[in-house]
Amino acid sequence: QSVLTQPPSASGTPGQRVTISCSGSSSNIGRNTAIWYQQLPGTAPKLLIYGNDQRPSGVPDRFSGSKSGTSASLAISGLQSEDEADYYCAAWDDSLNYVFGTGTKVTVL
Amino acid sequence: QITLKESGPTLVKPTQTLTLTCTFSGFSFSSSGVGVGWIRQPPGKALEWLALIYWDDDKRYSPSLKSRLTITKDTSKNQVVLRMTNMDPVDTATYYCAHRGAAPGSDWFGPWGQGTLVTVSS
Repeated sequence: QSVLTQPPSASGTPGQRVTISCSGSSSNIGRNTAIWYQQLPGTAPKLLIYGNDQRPSGVPDRFSGSKSGTSASLAISGLQSEDEADYYCAAWDDSLNYVFGTGTKVTVL
Repeated sequence: QITLKESGPTLVKPTQTLTLTCTFSGFSFSSSGVGVGWIRQPPGKALEWLALIYWDDDKRYSPSLKSRLTITKDTSKNQVVLRMTNMDPVDTATYYCAHRGAAPGSDWFGPWGQGTLVTVSS
């Protein structure tokens, strides 16, 4: 069902930088802004990044987003144990369908 | 502070209609730009958007589920109702409602309710 492709997993040691990719198409990320959500184990998703690279208040600045063409990326700098979670990208599609990514599980080693 | 909470049955039988209610506080459909969406997540799987209703009663549905979904709002009660017909075991999932946030050039879902697990089984 997901039309945005993410790697299934990513990992790093505390303090490392981890990057997650989100591959879309010209009808979604290529034309609309990318959004990122964080889902901690057993909890509801939480907004992490909107408008490709904007952090809502309260989100640590170690989280950053970017977009290039039909792909978006989420970077976590200075990885911490509490960052262990599932991360989802999302975007509106030209067919007025809100599409989520396949999800990436981040593990802190 | 914006909060949302989902309510409805935890178990439905195949072919039945599911009705879920999202009760919220901290915002109102009386305000321009407001929206509430529904998203679901099967156990161990990815998120899937279902529907969105705006303050002006404009509605958006997932194209793959549009024929089975109806979203409505009750402004006076601060509630949004989602109905999904002809439920099947593959519809077993945690169903979330979420506030639609927006800024120039972008909109998103957040905050989210805690979610409610709906199991479809005979």
